[in-house]
Amino acid sequence: DQQVKQNSPSLSVQEGRISILNCDYTNSMFDYFLWYKKYPAEGPTFLISISSIKDKNEDGRFTVFLNKSAKHLSLHIVPSQPGDSAVYFCAASARDSGTYKYIFGTGTRLKVLA
Amino acid sequence: DTAVSQTPKYLVTQMGNDKSIKCEQNLGHDTMYWYKQDSKKFLKIMFSYNNKELIINETVPNRFSPKSPDKAHLNLHINSLELGDSAVYFCASSQDRALGGYTFGSGTRLTVV
Repeated sequence: DQQVKQNSPSLSVQEGRISILNCDYTNSMFDYFLWYKKYPAEGPTFLISISSIKDKNEDGRFTVFLNKSAKHLSLHIVPSQPGDSAVYFCAASARDSGTYKYIFGTGTRLKVLA
Repeated sequence: DTAVSQTPKYLVTQMGNDKSIKCEQNLGHDTMYWYKQDSKKFLKIMFSYNNKELIINETVPNRFSPKSPDKAHLNLHINSLELGDSAVYFCASSQDRALGGYTFGSGTRLTVV
């Protein structure tokens, strides 16, 4: 049972345009969400987070939007740069669960074309 | 200066062997994790230790045994390796409830032949 889903395995975007990566979740207990970026042969690196008390969080070129009613979050990258080409994972956690466990999606491979 | 380091980076071994993967973090974090990324790219949690205490133990074969000698180290020992154990194993650490996310190691690619 996959509680966090990234239905687009890959995405190609022209440099300078907006990249939108999507993530859906099924567990209504999730209240904290993260996005990670992963380059080949490296571990994932933390990018941006959002709590369920917010619907938007922005950090430079990266903005995460949360739609709790739709159980959907998205990561916007604008403007996209070739160095953004990587695999992006979303992850979700229920902070009251008493554990420190994040459930990850399967990732979306973003390719930014120069 | 690597924050979360795992060794080895690559491991090729035969079925039935026993192997260990080591992980160390120098961030002063209280919690460490092992995640497995399988061929379908699912990143699934296996174990988590908080201050040397096991707090998460997912449904993992008991051939897998984590060991945390201190809060800066979390090693993974695998007995009687099987072909299906082939995957990339990531170690990670976090402070408290991981509200700042995890810091991952670069992964260990295990291939069982």
